[in-house]
Amino acid sequence: DTAVSQTPKYLVTQMGNDKSIKCEQNLGHDTMYWYKQDSKKFLKIMFSYNNKELIINETVPNRFSPKSPDKAHLNLHINSLELGDSAVYFCASSQGSGSSYEQYFGPGTRLTVT
Amino acid sequence: AQSVTQLGSHVSVSEGALVLLRCNYSSSVPPYLFWYVQYPNQGLQLLLKYTTGATLVKGINGFEAEFKKSETSFHLTKPSAHMSDAAEYFCAVSEDSGGYNKLIFGAGTRLAVHP
Repeated sequence: DTAVSQTPKYLVTQMGNDKSIKCEQNLGHDTMYWYKQDSKKFLKIMFSYNNKELIINETVPNRFSPKSPDKAHLNLHINSLELGDSAVYFCASSQGSGSSYEQYFGPGTRLTVT
Repeated sequence: AQSVTQLGSHVSVSEGALVLLRCNYSSSVPPYLFWYVQYPNQGLQLLLKYTTGATLVKGINGFEAEFKKSETSFHLTKPSAHMSDAAEYFCAVSEDSGGYNKLIFGAGTRLAVHP
């Protein structure tokens, strides 16, 4: 049974389009995250939600809008896609928001903008 | 701000040889440290973590890491490499952001294992 799942796994779209990525976790965790991994494999946090409340919002263009309808789901909507948005996006979750909690990652969504 | 440096973007070892992946961190407070592994086209899997207590931490798949405060290091080792260990390895430090946690990752080390 998949702990953290993401859909779709691959997403190919054209510049200017709007797209969404969905994430679900069945671990009963309170905190969820979005990370971006660029072409050089560098990972950087984008957002974090705790109990549906936004708690971390890194310097991310406002074309990116996360939404958490409930504790188990965290979606990422991207408007007006640009070439530079091409990356792998990972969802993660942790039991709590404290520093000692490990994060569990989903399989990633590879976004390609043409 | 905390940071993580992984020395060596690529490491190549023979099957059966010692694996040593280096990680140094910068932190103004006692750190929480993690090693993750990423197999091709997959997500990240936690290998091990250091929070408090014993400085030698054992993880999955025979890996272990030692926290050395004096050297600000958290190097990952495995006595004998297997072909299946070939992957990308990430060291991370947990940073407190307004009372909440975010992981700061190193740039990753690609481990190649050859026969």
